[in-house]
Amino acid sequence: DAGVIQSPRHEVTEMGQEVTLRCKPISGHDYLFWYRQTMMRGLELLIYFNNNVPIDDSGMPEDRFSAKMPNASFSTLKIQPSEPRDSAVYFCASSLRRGWDYEQYFGPGTRLTVT
Amino acid sequence: SQQGEEDPQALSIQEGENATMNCSYKTSINNLQWYRQNSGRGLVHLILIRSNEREKHSGRLRVTLDTSKKSSSLLITASRAADTASYFCATAIQGAQKLVFGQGTRLTINP
Repeated sequence: DAGVIQSPRHEVTEMGQEVTLRCKPISGHDYLFWYRQTMMRGLELLIYFNNNVPIDDSGMPEDRFSAKMPNASFSTLKIQPSEPRDSAVYFCASSLRRGWDYEQYFGPGTRLTVT
Repeated sequence: SQQGEEDPQALSIQEGENATMNCSYKTSINNLQWYRQNSGRGLVHLILIRSNEREKHSGRLRVTLDTSKKSSSLLITASRAADTASYFCATAIQGAQKLVFGQGTRLTINP
């Protein structure tokens, strides 16, 4: 298996623009997680899905952030409009069964820079 | 403050030496996991220890868990330059369906 795939790997955009991050989880994994990593706040859980259904989005910082999982092999995290404070590395992870009781597999991340 | 806090924040040792990192947490957990992150990469799962376990081994890794002290340690024996990375503990808090990650320990192995 290729592991968790994220695209793009790097994204540079201007404030106010829409940003869409993409993730393909490992086939057969029921759980998908979106995290954000910054120096100041560390690794934060934004939202997670179980069988394509959003379960907990309490970590999504603002209404500017939205996430979807239209099918078992694809998820997006969208920021609209983007702001400089959104600059971070965004990780997608997937897990078999309960993602907090089993290991999570992380993608390589998308480094987002908003100028 | 953080649920999981690693100590030390940074550690630099010579190749071949053992490296020990600690993690403390505040609330009861179902399990505790350790992950490694190489610079510019995603996190890689190392080991999971459940709340009813006290010690686990995986290759050169040894993890202990003391639920009475709410702490865990990760020992890497006979360190190698390739072990240079950041190491994170993550706790699965009882009643909370998610992992909470600490801030990490940055480990540098000097050749």
